Amino acid sequence: SYELTQPLSVSVALGQTARITCGGNNIGSKNVHWYQQKPGQAPVLVMYRDTSRPSGIPERFSGSNSGNTATLTISRAQGGDEADYYCQVWDSSTVFGGGTKLTVL
Amino acid sequence: EVQLVESGGGLVQPGGSLRLSCAASGFTVSSNYMNWVRQAPGKGLEWVSIIYSGGNTYYADSVKGRFTISRDNSKNTLYLQMNNLRAEDTAVYYCARDLHRANYFDLWGQGTLVTVSS
Repeated sequence: SYELTQPLSVSVALGQTARITCGGNNIGSKNVHWYQQKPGQAPVLVMYRDTSRPSGIPERFSGSNSGNTATLTISRAQGGDEADYYCQVWDSSTVFGGGTKLTVL
Repeated sequence: EVQLVESGGGLVQPGGSLRLSCAASGFTVSSNYMNWVRQAPGKGLEWVSIIYSGGNTYYADSVKGRFTISRDNSKNTLYLQMNNLRAEDTAVYYCARDLHRANYFDLWGQGTLVTVSS
């Protein structure tokens, strides 16, 4: 079965740029989607089809996908961006990455 | 308002059964691909099941043969019947919509907690 690998944690200084990676075999050939989940809340879609932002998601959020790595980039990180982030693809069924905890210092 | 509201979670003994409900408002369940996704305490997200608009259903291997996804069009509600529950089924269960039929989830419910324990 297809596997997605995310770092357990990423830290970023307030106002700087955070990059959260999602690794998978030839993931660049797949559509990657990203969810943000804050404690006690349901996940929220923040990026779909690699680079598309749903309405209401700030332009500070961007995505890329190439080769074996997809990346969610959060520019000018804010305290409100602290959350768990999950990547997701479809490979015969839905597959989620293990999640990355983003800490804004 | 477009939303999903789950209910039906609770404490159940191993081997027991439970039925989760997910009431939709603001859109039609039967016209969409609807999913269940779960999250064990302190763990990541795990896809559980999908029902397509045409009625076909699919399951994760971990629940196949024990869980059944269905919908009631008259009530605009999605269900998950869970039988022969195990401790490892303990999780918050979310229903989620795939509006664009593109294998991602644009709308999630708030979740309902299922605890399997004696």
